[in-house]
Order: sequence, then C-alpha cells, then structure tokens
Amino acid sequence: GQQVMQIPQYQHVQEGEDFTTYCNSSTTLSNIQWYKQRPGGHPVFLIQLVKSGEVKKQKRLTFQFGEAKKNSSLHITATQTTDVGTYFCAGTQKTSYDKVIFGPGTSLSVIP
Amino acid sequence: DSGVTQTPKHLITATGQRVTLRCSPRSGDLSVYWYQQSLDQGLQFLIQYYNGEERAKGNILERFSAQQFPDLHSELNLSSLELGDSALYFCASSVARDRRSNYGYTFGSGTRLTVV
Repeated sequence: GQQVMQIPQYQHVQEGEDFTTYCNSSTTLSNIQWYKQRPGGHPVFLIQLVKSGEVKKQKRLTFQFGEAKKNSSLHITATQTTDVGTYFCAGTQKTSYDKVIFGPGTSLSVIP
Repeated sequence: DSGVTQTPKHLITATGQRVTLRCSPRSGDLSVYWYQQSLDQGLQFLIQYYNGEERAKGNILERFSAQQFPDLHSELNLSSLELGDSALYFCASSVARDRRSNYGYTFGSGTRLTVV
C-alpha cells in the first residue's frame, strides 16, 4: 500500500537557525498537505500543494512539491520558539478518494 | 475552537470494556475521518464516512466500529478494550468528497483514552 515517509524524525535547532523536513511517498500523489501539531494539541492544516514543482510560502515557511509529485519539503527560516511542534505531511494517492495518508511526522524543538 | 467537537476529552476504562467516542463535524463538512495516535506515534487512519456512508477503511480493528448519523455526527465504538488501545483518538472533517476537491482536514481536539 501507499507509504509516506518523513525525515528527520526529530530535529533540535537553536532559535534563529533554519529547519527543513522532507517527505517522500512510495507512489505518485495527487496532492500533498502539511499539518502542524503543537505539544498536547491537535493537527492543524497549514497548506496544500497540488501542482508538480509547486512552491508556496507562508511568512517564514516555504513548501515545495517535487516535479514527480512523490516528494515534498517544508523549510522554516529563522526558527522561533512558536515553531515548536510536530510537522506532518499527508499525501493523497491518485487512485483513491480523499483519504489522506499521514507521514510519521518530524518533531521540532527550538532551543531559545 | 476548530469547529470539530469531540467528546469526551478524557476517558479511563478497564480492559474488556466498551466505549463510544463522539464527533460532530464542522458545519457544512460532509466527510468525517477517525485517526488513532499512540504515544510518540503518527496518525493512523481508521475509517472515513461521507454523508452517512462508509467511504474508506484503514487499519481499523474488528473490535472497532463506527457510523455516521443523518445529522452527520459520528461515533467510534471500541469494544473488548486492551491496554494497547490506549491512545489519542482524533476525528477530522472536511467538505471534500473526492481527491479533486480535497481542501484539507479540520481536526477536533481529540479523546484521550486510557485503558487500565
């Protein structure tokens, strides 16, 4: 079945450093979504990428969708303590309904 | 408040028991999804309903069942509970019916189930 993988599993950065998490799917995706879950909270939808090679920005966050639509990345510039949490990518398989498969997540810690 | 309501927030029960988790989707959303999140684990998809009908099934155990009612609220029933069923159970909703109109999920705050 479809698998979505993410690396790294954990990342500790000094406040002000950049952070990147990578997401890879075993199959081609129709779209990819990113979610953020703060400690003790619930996942919150950040963004959806649909087009091959698409790049979207939200303030200090940059999201990319690979040309082959099998991988994606989230880059945070100059991390802040408010960025702490687990970032999940979630892919929708081209042949399925809107069932979304979540990656295992990358847990980000920011050291002030 | 995300607009997705889950009750109860916490549940402690003994092994072998049965519990029901409830979810009310965001107004206007027709799809409801159930996810299980164990400690330090990712989100495991359990089941999806769209407008009252089962749409997709994930890694849902036979001891677990769910349904979506005409008012669109959903219930997840967990029976013959085991210690390993202890987890956070999230409900999410979306307006989408298929992959062409997938706009992202809105999650509830979850039900933390502890089986002792």
